[in-house]
Amino acid sequence: DVKVTQSSRYLVKRTGEKVFLECVQDMDHENMFWYRQDPGLGLRLIYFSYDVKMKEKGDIPEGYSVSREKKERFSLILESASTNQTSMYLCASSSDRYGYTFGSGTRLTVV
Amino acid sequence: GQNIDQPTEMTATEGAIVQINCTYQTSGFNGLFWYQQHAGEAPTFLSYNVLDGLEEKGRFSSFLSRSKGYSYLLLKELQMKDSASYLCAVSSGSARQLTFGSGTQLTVLP
Repeated sequence: DVKVTQSSRYLVKRTGEKVFLECVQDMDHENMFWYRQDPGLGLRLIYFSYDVKMKEKGDIPEGYSVSREKKERFSLILESASTNQTSMYLCASSSDRYGYTFGSGTRLTVV
Repeated sequence: GQNIDQPTEMTATEGAIVQINCTYQTSGFNGLFWYQQHAGEAPTFLSYNVLDGLEEKGRFSSFLSRSKGYSYLLLKELQMKDSASYLCAVSSGSARQLTFGSGTQLTVLP
């Protein structure tokens, strides 16, 4: 089975901190994605990557950046965390036909 | 841009059948997915439609009409464990990225 691992399940950070969320997949998938999920808004795409060192903005990239130095790892970076970035963050990888496999999610609270 | 609509909430009784509808407007359609998400957990894959028609998988079936921009998920013989959020998602773009609806919270009552 494809496994997507997110480094932290719960995270509490202070406003203004730089935050790194890590995601690793073990099935050699080309595509990786970062979403945030908020009540009533569903999952919204932040950034995605279709190859090493390649990245594309999703629907809500403001305040975020990403890094993909190795195929299996896709990192989401909050340059200066703010309270409106408190959310559930979900990483996913894909192999086209069967859509995504998601990680377990990181619940980030910014105080 | 993408626009995906599905009902916010539905309630049904154990053993019954429920249909969750999804309408979408999109460019560059690659397929439509349904995911199930239990509270506090990640979404899990249920079904995938790329051509018009019905795909059946045990108690779950999914239907697609591309010309109408319409899909539904049909759940039969409902069980209490089917209480969850059901997410409709459209695939498009170079990386076949998914755009999700806001989800339909299904509550199954005894």
